[in-house]
Amino acid sequence: LAKTTQPISMDSYEGQEVNITCSHNNIATNDYITWYQQFPSQGPRFIIQGYKTKVTNEVASLFIPADRKSSTLSLPRVSLSDTAVYYCLVGVKGFQKLVFGTGTRLLVSP
Amino acid sequence: DAGVIQSPRHEVTEMGQEVTLRCKPISGHNSLFWYRQTMMRGLELLIYFNNNVPIDDSGMPEDRFSAKMPNASFSTLKIQPSEPRDSAVYFCASSLYASGNTDTQYFGPGTRLTVL
Repeated sequence: LAKTTQPISMDSYEGQEVNITCSHNNIATNDYITWYQQFPSQGPRFIIQGYKTKVTNEVASLFIPADRKSSTLSLPRVSLSDTAVYYCLVGVKGFQKLVFGTGTRLLVSP
Repeated sequence: DAGVIQSPRHEVTEMGQEVTLRCKPISGHNSLFWYRQTMMRGLELLIYFNNNVPIDDSGMPEDRFSAKMPNASFSTLKIQPSEPRDSAVYFCASSLYASGNTDTQYFGPGTRLTVL
């Protein structure tokens, strides 16, 4: 069973740019890549979604290379409130099963 | 919009008892998902429905788990009999489209289940 993988944790300081990468070698042709943010005791919350190249919204950017085997979530200038766990969500080719990544715990310090 | 509603928010029960978790998706959404989250296994998809029909239940751990969606506005996840290893946070999510792909999902607040 194919897996998506992310770094377990990352540390940053306020005002810095943070890039979190997710590997997904068996992504399905028609599937989008979606990133979610989760705070303690809450359900995951949608951040951004894309299919290829680059997508940008008011809170983040998503970079997807041509082969789509990975994606990078970019948070431009993090604040303390961005401390959370970040998940990537993609479909897995051949299984039609939605698989969350392992999650990356981001800690933003003053 | 009230978002996805789950009840109860917390449930404590004893091993062997039946547990029923409830979910009301966002009105107009066509897909509903049940997830389980634990420290050891992370966030796992248990089952999802499109237009009230179960599409993929391969994530359901065993026959003790069952899920139903009798109409577009209500779903249940039942565990019978419950075991301590079922202790986890169970999330329900809904999405607008019925494609089963990674369309934006809106999560509920979760039900924290503790089986003693």
